[in-house]
Amino acid sequence: DVKVTQSSRYLVKRTGEKVFLECVQDMDHENMFWYRQDPGLGLRLIYFSYDVKMKEKGDIPEGYSVSREKKERFSLILESASTNQTSMYLCASSLAGELSYEQYFGPGTRLTVT
Amino acid sequence: QQQVKQSPQSLIVQKGGIPIINCAYENTAFDYFPWYQQFPGKGPALLIAIRPDVSEKKEGRFTISFNKSAKQFSLHIMDSQPGDSATYFCAARQTGANNLFFGTGTRLTVIP
Repeated sequence: DVKVTQSSRYLVKRTGEKVFLECVQDMDHENMFWYRQDPGLGLRLIYFSYDVKMKEKGDIPEGYSVSREKKERFSLILESASTNQTSMYLCASSLAGELSYEQYFGPGTRLTVT
Repeated sequence: QQQVKQSPQSLIVQKGGIPIINCAYENTAFDYFPWYQQFPGKGPALLIAIRPDVSEKKEGRFTISFNKSAKQFSLHIMDSQPGDSATYFCAARQTGANNLFFGTGTRLTVIP
């Protein structure tokens, strides 16, 4: 059974803290993605990676960075957390090529920044 | 700018009804149109997908209708059940790309 796991289900951080969200997939997928989900705004792509050490900006990269040192692991970093980054964060992975439309999602991390 | 526009934002139907969720796009370079289903507390999961050279695709009680000339596609759920209550997202992928453009989601509630 395919699996995408995220390091935390719930996280509470203070404004200005550096926050790390970790995602691991066990499907040997080339592509990995980070989204944030907010009511009425749907799924917005923050960053994605199509290979180790490769990354591309999505629609809302400001305030975030990412790291992919190993194929199975993709980290999202909030350099200095702010209250407007309170959200649900979803990680996903997919194969490259024809089947890249089939993304597998983790359960999400609900981040609260106070 | 929203690449894929989805409506309605929320939908309530009686059990057995046929909810319809609509999506529209402008980019003719899109080559796959998947739908994702998300239950509370879970990540989205692929439900069904269609290519633009097909006008309809059915999987069980779920049907995608595709109108290429109008650049619109829709999800129909036949004989809806309370267990279908979830948020549904349409999406689109550009040819050769790895990422998807998602709609804003529709929260469906099926009343027993």
